[in-house]
Amino acid sequence: DAKTTQPNSMESNEEEPVHLPCNHSTISGTDYIHWYRQLPSQGPEYVIHGLTSNVNNRMASLAIAEDRKSSTLILHRATLRDAAVYYCILRGTQGGSEKLVFGKGTKLTVNP
Amino acid sequence: KAGVTQTPRYLIKTRGQQVTLSCSPISGHRSVSWYQQTPGQGLQFLFEYFSETQRNKGNFPGRFSGRQFSNSRSEMNVSTLELGDSALYLCASRHDPGLWGDEQYFGPGTRLTVT
Repeated sequence: DAKTTQPNSMESNEEEPVHLPCNHSTISGTDYIHWYRQLPSQGPEYVIHGLTSNVNNRMASLAIAEDRKSSTLILHRATLRDAAVYYCILRGTQGGSEKLVFGKGTKLTVNP
Repeated sequence: KAGVTQTPRYLIKTRGQQVTLSCSPISGHRSVSWYQQTPGQGLQFLFEYFSETQRNKGNFPGRFSGRQFSNSRSEMNVSTLELGDSALYLCASRHDPGLWGDEQYFGPGTRLTVT
């Protein structure tokens, strides 16, 4: 199964951009790259997803490497409410069954 | 639109007992997935149901089972509870599992403690 690798933790200052990296060197051609985040005492929350091209939404941007072996979640201006564990997830199909692989996640600390 | 709801939110059981957890998906969502979250293993996929059929299954023993009803509500059951089953059990719903890019909406989870 394809796996993702993320740093255990990262720190940022409020109102500064944050770049959260994810490596997925064994990604297959049909795998989508999803990002979720989990705030303390809550279930995970969808952030963004993409396949090949960079993506933007109101929460964040997703930059996908040309070879698709890595991606970066970009929070343009971190706020204290962005402090959470961020998960990089691959979704796709292999042999007809969807595979769901969660990384260990990156714990983001935002300093005021 | 109401979010994913899970009941109960907290549960304490004794080793050897069984437990049933309930999940109500977002209205119109037909797929429900279950996950187990522990500090050591992180988020692990248990199974996914769509149209009352198990569509996908993770690597958990047969003590973990689930079902989905015609209204898309889902239950998961754990029999012969072990101490290691203590975890946060999360339910997530989405509209159509055929869309690989489809986002999932998670509930707040049920915190199960096995003593």
